[in-house]
Amino acid sequence: DTEVTQTPKHLVMGMTNKKSLKCEQHMGHRAMYWYKQKAKKPPELMFVYSYEKLSINESVPSRFSPECPNSSLLNLHLHALQPEDSALYLCASSDPVRASYNEQFFGPGTRLTVL
Amino acid sequence: KNQVEQSPQSLIILEGKNCTLQCNYTVSPFSNLRWYKQDTGRGPVSLTIMTFSENTKSNGRYTATLDADTKQSSLHITASQLSDSASYICVVSAGYGGATNKLIFGTGTLLAVQP
Repeated sequence: DTEVTQTPKHLVMGMTNKKSLKCEQHMGHRAMYWYKQKAKKPPELMFVYSYEKLSINESVPSRFSPECPNSSLLNLHLHALQPEDSALYLCASSDPVRASYNEQFFGPGTRLTVL
Repeated sequence: KNQVEQSPQSLIILEGKNCTLQCNYTVSPFSNLRWYKQDTGRGPVSLTIMTFSENTKSNGRYTATLDADTKQSSLHITASQLSDSASYICVVSAGYGGATNKLIFGTGTLLAVQP
């Protein structure tokens, strides 16, 4: 299995809702990432988990809450979002130890719309 | 400031023709340079990865070059196909390795291949 999967593919939520995005990989990668991508812009790094521990938080608002329950799973919990949070949310994984390039493999993304 | 610039911003070519996309970067410390292909609304897919010691790398009809002295890279697409229509993103990895390496994304070149 050489892919990163993300669910759901599309999500529409109100500003008072609580929802979660899910990311899964079975490549044995020990680093996982969340990115946010607005239309026609490059992805922006949000969080990095390394060995299930949060190693980078790029000053993301607390309405986004990441969680890494195990080495294969990464969640992003959403609460009280704003319409400007509407974007494509990308998950990626990499093997920082065995792979010399630390190449990141991206999932297909979740298209989030906040009403 | 770490920066990756791409040109042109967009490009339209006829099916079967060749094209070359450019990337200039100012990133320190340089770890590696990647080219990704991103279809609209999908996650980026890696095409090539090069370290400073690699001048060229091919992946099918895609050939990337790297000049570490001038800090320039190019992606050449041969015999373009309609399925090549996508955004091509140049990404430079900054750091000394590991999950905390930061990816510096270019703004991408939007390629449209017309029949």
